[in-house]
Amino acid sequence: DSGVTQTPKHLITATGQRVTLRCSPRSGDLSVYWYQQSLDQGLQFLIQYYNGEERAKGNILERFSAQQFPDLHSELNLSSLELGDSALYFCASSSGTGWFGANVLTFGAGSRLTVL
Amino acid sequence: DQQVKQNSPSLSVQEGRISILNCDYTNSMFDYFLWYKKYPAEGPTFLISISSIKDKNEDGRFTVFLNKSAKHLSLHIVPSQPGDSAVYFCAAPNQGAQKLVFGQGTRLTINP
Repeated sequence: DSGVTQTPKHLITATGQRVTLRCSPRSGDLSVYWYQQSLDQGLQFLIQYYNGEERAKGNILERFSAQQFPDLHSELNLSSLELGDSALYFCASSSGTGWFGANVLTFGAGSRLTVL
Repeated sequence: DQQVKQNSPSLSVQEGRISILNCDYTNSMFDYFLWYKKYPAEGPTFLISISSIKDKNEDGRFTVFLNKSAKHLSLHIVPSQPGDSAVYFCAAPNQGAQKLVFGQGTRLTINP
């Protein structure tokens, strides 16, 4: 158990629908990162939050949004889902922001989204 | 824009032999590199890292080598064990070190 909790573990939904993925970071970690892993692809960075504020944005679609709440948990909202959104979505946390020498990311087990 | 590339999707090695996983990068500003290991149904876990001021870092059976002039790093596992069978990702901090950029991963299979 890495200490990063993601729910749900599996989710099957239809095109056009909206889903919310939830992440609770490791105790004491202030940063949350979202990554997407599609079939045969590496981990693609989506977005980072630090203590409730957005800090960095990657290739996140406009149909996707995220937020980090005061209790530091984060949610990734995916809307108007398409077949190509089927992927593993990972949340990771770290104690600070920046300089990964001191802030190694700890990943959750991921949420597998299947869009039919 | 794939700044970190792992050109071998898979690698099969005999138990007890050396496993060598390779990674190339294009951004000369990268100054820190990490390797993550991922088992099925689990998230990636940190394995070993190296700063650009070094050309080698060793941790038990795992050694990472960095060749800055070639923009290349490699992970050596000696001796390879069945439990090493996993997907290995190399990564580097980017965007003002606000995010980790990952390669596509290499699936390592250790055969008994």
